[in-house]
Amino acid sequence: NAGVTQTPKFQVLKTGQSMTLQCAQDMNHEYMSWYRQDPGMGLRLIHYSVGAGITDQGEVPNGYNVSRSTTEDFPLRLLSAAPSQTSVYFCASRTTAAAGAAGGYTFGSGTRLTVV
Amino acid sequence: AQRVTQPEKLLSVFKGAPVELKCNYSYSGSPELFWYVQYSRQRLQLLLRHISRESIKGFTADLNKGETSFHLKKPFAQEEDSAMYYCALLGNSGGSNYKLTFGKGTLLTVNP
Repeated sequence: NAGVTQTPKFQVLKTGQSMTLQCAQDMNHEYMSWYRQDPGMGLRLIHYSVGAGITDQGEVPNGYNVSRSTTEDFPLRLLSAAPSQTSVYFCASRTTAAAGAAGGYTFGSGTRLTVV
Repeated sequence: AQRVTQPEKLLSVFKGAPVELKCNYSYSGSPELFWYVQYSRQRLQLLLRHISRESIKGFTADLNKGETSFHLKKPFAQEEDSAMYYCALLGNSGGSNYKLTFGKGTLLTVNP
């Protein structure tokens, strides 16, 4: 049981480049989310999805796009990277089932992104 | 709107001393509260959830609805407890029951 898998673990981009951060979960969770973690800011919600084909914006969505074509995958796209997007990105998933939901979200190991 | 406040960015204690990490929340309904822990450069791990009323690694947390608090406590801190601790809130109605809102975290350092 792999849980939530994020790739890559590390990435360096030049300003203006684009890339996709991958996130996959094998727990058949309906809810998936992307967070960014910055010093002194905690974790802030970027985008989330409540199921395949349904996505919505979180607290800090600007500069990021997402899609949810399958239950398992929830990629995060940076269309034109900026230094302000240097951060650690975490993907998380959660089931809607009451018992499982009591456990909160399961997190991936993170992607450390640097934009120069 | 849901909000979580962790007033202390840094907390330093000596091994064997009691520790309390504070968390206050703002939410109009009855939320679910969690504590997550992140050891150096690792993924976030669920430590406690208020509905379980459990003790993990010696830590406990009690939900006080009157004070809207969910403080994390441990009577005798250990060096391996050094980590970043996040308090988080999950709403239970409408569009908030899948948004996990985090506080800004408290970095706990336990000195030998």
